[in-house]
Amino acid sequence: AQKITQTQPGMFVQEKEAVTLDCTYDTSDPSYGLFWYKQPSSGEMIFLIYQGSYDQQNATEGRYSLNFQKARKSANLVISASQLGDSAMYFCAPLWPRGGGADGLTFGKGTHLIIQP
Amino acid sequence: DSGVTQTPKHLITATGQRVTLRCSPRSGDLSVYWYQQSLDQGLQFLIHYYNGEERAKGNILERFSAQQFPDLHSELNLSSLELGDSALYFCASSQGQVSDTQYFGPGTRLTVL
Repeated sequence: AQKITQTQPGMFVQEKEAVTLDCTYDTSDPSYGLFWYKQPSSGEMIFLIYQGSYDQQNATEGRYSLNFQKARKSANLVISASQLGDSAMYFCAPLWPRGGGADGLTFGKGTHLIIQP
Repeated sequence: DSGVTQTPKHLITATGQRVTLRCSPRSGDLSVYWYQQSLDQGLQFLIHYYNGEERAKGNILERFSAQQFPDLHSELNLSSLELGDSALYFCASSQGQVSDTQYFGPGTRLTVL
């Protein structure tokens, strides 16, 4: 069965430090996509970054980057130079290819990141 | 602002009642997904519509139903409500290809008393 694991329920990080949020998954499918979303306390879900399983380069979007290690089935989110506004829940969400990918995202339990001044 | 709109923002109702949640996707997006976020179940995929047709069902209860209209807006109908249906319901839209990013609306917070 396919599953997603975020092992860090909560993290405290000093402002301006880099932070790595872990995400591991289990699938036998060679083709899939990996999304990361941020959910601040206000509740909205904000798309951060996407990595396709066949992408040769690790994805980057501004201060966000993915440390994608396909063989280890991990897709860790790295936030550089953290800011107070980065405090939020972060979800790793794979899109598995079954049903042609129509099945929607599967969300991990999330990591609650708190940036301290 | 993702461009996805959801109404209402908050909804308070009683057990046994029926409610309708509405979603308007981003301009040009053909796919609409519905998700439920609750404290005990986390974020779960409910159902996916593409250009008016149902594409996939997730953990959607039989008491729940959805549809996507010709103008591409979607409605999620929840009936015979129970206390456990209290949750944040999200709609997300994408252009329609498998790997397209899903952009989420602000959500509708449903409280069943």
